[in-house]
Amino acid sequence: GQQLNQSPQSMFIQEGEDVSMNCTSSSIFNTWLWYKQDPGEGPVLLIALYKAGELTSNGRLTAQFGITRKDSFLNISASIPSDVGIYFCAGQYIPTGTASKLTFGTGTRLQVTL
Amino acid sequence: GAGVSQTPSNKVTEKGKYVELRCDPISGHTALYWYRQSLGQGPEFLIYFQGTGAADDSGLPNDRFFAVRPEGSVSTLKIQRTERGDSAVYLCASSWTPMETQYFGPGTRLLVL
Repeated sequence: GQQLNQSPQSMFIQEGEDVSMNCTSSSIFNTWLWYKQDPGEGPVLLIALYKAGELTSNGRLTAQFGITRKDSFLNISASIPSDVGIYFCAGQYIPTGTASKLTFGTGTRLQVTL
Repeated sequence: GAGVSQTPSNKVTEKGKYVELRCDPISGHTALYWYRQSLGQGPEFLIYFQGTGAADDSGLPNDRFFAVRPEGSVSTLKIQRTERGDSAVYLCASSWTPMETQYFGPGTRLLVL
């Protein structure tokens, strides 16, 4: 099945540094989502974006919905050890009145060193 | 309240066997989704239920895979004649309505020997 292109694949950063990752698609979406997955767990929603150009924050996290509706990025400021995990973007195209599956990215594995 | 639960958490089976994976969604959630996550990949959509009916089964890889949700709550994903390539984590998610946030369970890790 289709997977969105997510970069970088992995990052090793020091505690306190800012992190940036992005996601691109060949098709448009009308919702972009960012999830975090810890080992042995399911993905947990971090941020949801519903409008092209939208910039949304959740604590130290900031995400943007690209103008073309084919991309999104996630920033994490002042990283801390508990930010370690795998971050996935997901696109959703919801036709009026119906649901749609999530199409996930390939993931960015974040490692934070002290 | 309780989140999405999945049983078993791990399943080891032999090639050719039949397996059933169970998902208990959050109480009251009408929409239920199954995804499959292979090692090092993001989850991939399998099937979506609205109530008791499968509204979209376009992600099921072949006719060995089947899912049911007879009473509009618990769902079972059934895999016949398992193959080694079926080894993956099978994730279930649910939401209040199809338009709202999907909450994921911890997954069932299936290993086919």
